[in-house]
Amino acid sequence: EVQLVETGGGLIQPGGSLRLSCAASGFTVSSNYMSWVRQAPGKGLEWVSVIYSGGSTYYADSVKGRFTISRDNSKNTLYLQMNSLRAEDTAVYYCARALGRELDYWGQGTLVTVSS
Amino acid sequence: SSELTQDPAVSVALGQTVRITCQGDSLRSYYASWYQQKPGQAPVLVIYGKNNRPSGIPDRFSGSSSGNTASLTITGAQAEDEADYYCNSRDSSGNPWVFGGGTKLTVL
Repeated sequence: EVQLVETGGGLIQPGGSLRLSCAASGFTVSSNYMSWVRQAPGKGLEWVSVIYSGGSTYYADSVKGRFTISRDNSKNTLYLQMNSLRAEDTAVYYCARALGRELDYWGQGTLVTVSS
Repeated sequence: SSELTQDPAVSVALGQTVRITCQGDSLRSYYASWYQQKPGQAPVLVIYGKNNRPSGIPDRFSGSSSGNTASLTITGAQAEDEADYYCNSRDSSGNPWVFGGGTKLTVL
């Protein structure tokens, strides 16, 4: 059974850093495209980043230069390092597996709140 | 602002058919995927590709596309279909993904 479990969210001050983790089971992270998607409170979904099986990475313009996606193959885990956090980064962050161009499995999400 | 445009809200009578649309230039070249999200839950993929349903998705959900518009159709809407629906596809500037703003479906 495919499962994705995000951890690492919490309350952080503006300008701070946070690292989110997404532990996968039932499939191999490194063999798949893996993505982060976020949802601000009461708002819609926003694609954040993707890492392809070959290692290429892409970012939404809103996070480029501040966020870094990576994976640990030995732990079968996806990460999102978030630096220089802003109030507008407050959201539930989901990790998801990409099957081609669609996101077929999602985690339950982890809430990041950026506030002083 | 999203490069995929959806109507913010749509309603349908119980048992009737409803179409939710998604417009964007990238849809002329790429299929849309559709996601259902209920309050407090993660999104669930309901349609992908030309018109494919993941395992466990009822066959009352179907997808289609014409020109710059993708559509999700629910034939015989049920109370449990009340949710937010999002389309996504590649965006016109080359990023791998972009989401539509979402459509809130109310089943009356």
